Amino acid sequence: NAGVTQTPKFQVLKTGQSMTLQCAQDMNHNSMYWYRQDPGMGLRLIYYSASEGTTDKGEVPNGYNVSRLNKREFSLRLESAAPSQTSVYFCASRDRSLNTEAFFGQGTRLTVV
Amino acid sequence: AQSVTQLGSHVSVSEGALVLLRCNYSSSVPPYLFWYVQYPNQGLQLLLKYTSAATLVKGINGFEAEFKKSETSFHLTKPSAHMSDAAEYFCAVISRSGNTPLVFGKGTRLSVIA
Repeated sequence: NAGVTQTPKFQVLKTGQSMTLQCAQDMNHNSMYWYRQDPGMGLRLIYYSASEGTTDKGEVPNGYNVSRLNKREFSLRLESAAPSQTSVYFCASRDRSLNTEAFFGQGTRLTVV
Repeated sequence: AQSVTQLGSHVSVSEGALVLLRCNYSSSVPPYLFWYVQYPNQGLQLLLKYTSAATLVKGINGFEAEFKKSETSFHLTKPSAHMSDAAEYFCAVISRSGNTPLVFGKGTRLSVIA
């Protein structure tokens, strides 16, 4: 099993460009999450999806949109990238009904210049 | 809303010394609690989790944590630090019910001195 797969692993964008970060999990989990990690700030929740067809804002949603395409996939879109969105982005998934821990992808390192 | 506080953004210990990383949560009902570790340029790996009645939880790499309801704490310990333990450690909390998300503390960077 691959677990949680994020693409791309690295990306450099110019200010104002758009892009979509992809995330897919093969564990049949119902909940999926997007976090950003910045030095000294821990992991801050951007958006989450408790189940297929639902999405909710987290702590830092401004400048982002998400799509829960199906049970496996949860994408994060930056419509107009800003330097403040330079960060490492992590996708995670969890089986809420089994009360298990969250499993994480390897991250996407995004730089906006 | 759930929240978690990690005391100390950076902890430094000598090799062979006790490791103690502190985590306190805020919740009226005992939540599920987790400790994750992150090595440089890697993703997060689960160390241990508290999801049942057993208050002392053992994890990987010799780590353990004790859930103390009266203190709303879930501190991480290891009797003897090893150089390979140098990493960033995150405490996380999630409600036992509902659709609330997993919330992380700001992390504690552990340095191990030879």
